[in-house]
Order: sequence, then C-alpha cells, then structure tokens
Amino acid sequence: KQEVTQIPAALSVPEGENLVLNCSFTDSAIYNLQWFRQDPGKGLTSLLLIQSSQREQTSGRLNASLDKSSGRSTLYIAASQPGDSATYLCAVRPTSGTYKYIFGTGTRLKVLA
Amino acid sequence: DTAVSQTPKYLVTQMGNDKSIKCEQNLGHDTMYWYKQDSKKFLKIMFSYNNKELIINETVPNRFSPKSPDKAHLNLHINSLELGDSAVYFCASSWGQGSSYNSPLHFGNGTRLTVT
Repeated sequence: KQEVTQIPAALSVPEGENLVLNCSFTDSAIYNLQWFRQDPGKGLTSLLLIQSSQREQTSGRLNASLDKSSGRSTLYIAASQPGDSATYLCAVRPTSGTYKYIFGTGTRLKVLA
Repeated sequence: DTAVSQTPKYLVTQMGNDKSIKCEQNLGHDTMYWYKQDSKKFLKIMFSYNNKELIINETVPNRFSPKSPDKAHLNLHINSLELGDSAVYFCASSWGQGSSYNSPLHFGNGTRLTVT
C-alpha cells in the first residue's frame, strides 16, 4: 500500500533563506509526483509535476527533484518570501489504480518578514 | 475563467439533514474526483469518475452518493449528516487515460461542511 510522508510537518524561516521540503513514498511504481501549495481557506494550486522518467523540474524560484528508486522528492525554494507562507503538499499517481492521487501529510511553511 | 468550481463554499447544517455539493470543470478533462480534507489537513480520496463511470469508491459510507450527469459535472449528495462528516470537501479533475497520465490534477476551492 502506497504511503506518502512529508517532513517536516511545520517550518518557520526568516525571509531570504533557501529551504528544502521533503516528500517520501513507499512504492516506486508511480507515473508522476506533483507538488501543490494550499493557502488557508483555499484550494490546492499545482506548482510542479515531475514525471517518473524525469529527475527535476523548475519554475521560477522553485525546483523539485525526484529520486524514484529511493522513494524521495524534494522541493527547493530559493530566497523565500513571506508570500511563500502556505501548506505544501506532494502527491503521487500510482501506476496501479491510476484514478487516484495519494497525498502526503503536508508541510506548513511560515516565512517571517 | 474558473477551471474547477464547486458550490457552495460554506455549508452549515444540523445532524440528520441531507445536503448536496456541486462541482463543474471547464477543462475538458475526462476524470473527476472528490477528496475529503480532515482537521489535520490530510487529503483522502473518496470517489473518482472517468467518463461518467464510477472507478473508485474508497470505503466511503453509503450515505455519500456521487453522481456524474456528464463528464464536466460531479455532484456529491450526503444523507443523514453526522458530526464526523464535518470537513472540507474538494472536487478535482484531470485526464485519466493513456499518455495523459502525466497531466496535472486541478482542484476547486473546496466546500467547508460544518455539521452541528
């Protein structure tokens, strides 16, 4: 059974720091891994999607990496800003039972001005 | 141009009542989902539909009945509401088949259900 875990559960950093959020999954049989951002009272916004054949994806100050064999992904945020404060979730799309995405437990990030 | 829209945004009701949540997507996707987010922010799949057919029913009580009149709509009806049903319910959509496995998942803004 696929399980997805995110560490740390919560993180506070001063503005300007580079930071890394971690996501681990137990079954490497996935099509892709997707990172989302959730602001309080809002839905989830897709940030980056990494296909199983890819090693990383970049969008602006965000860089996501994927090591499928070890069941790990990281989301790197460069030069963090207060506007980056949100909950970050990762989700995997398994190759068996493709009609669902399995979500991690989330990391609550607070960037202090 | 909202891609995935769900209504209502907030729903406050008493135990025992029946309520519905509606969802529509204008992305042309063939697969739609209902997810439940609990108080600890954990997201768990409830149902998924592909081309109007129920594909996943993830051990959800039969008080919850999804209905998909067409590919663009997926509604959720809940009978005999209980206190434990209080949560945020999210609708989402994506492509479900073939080379589209690697298309992103898109979410609505959620419906916060409070049962008193």
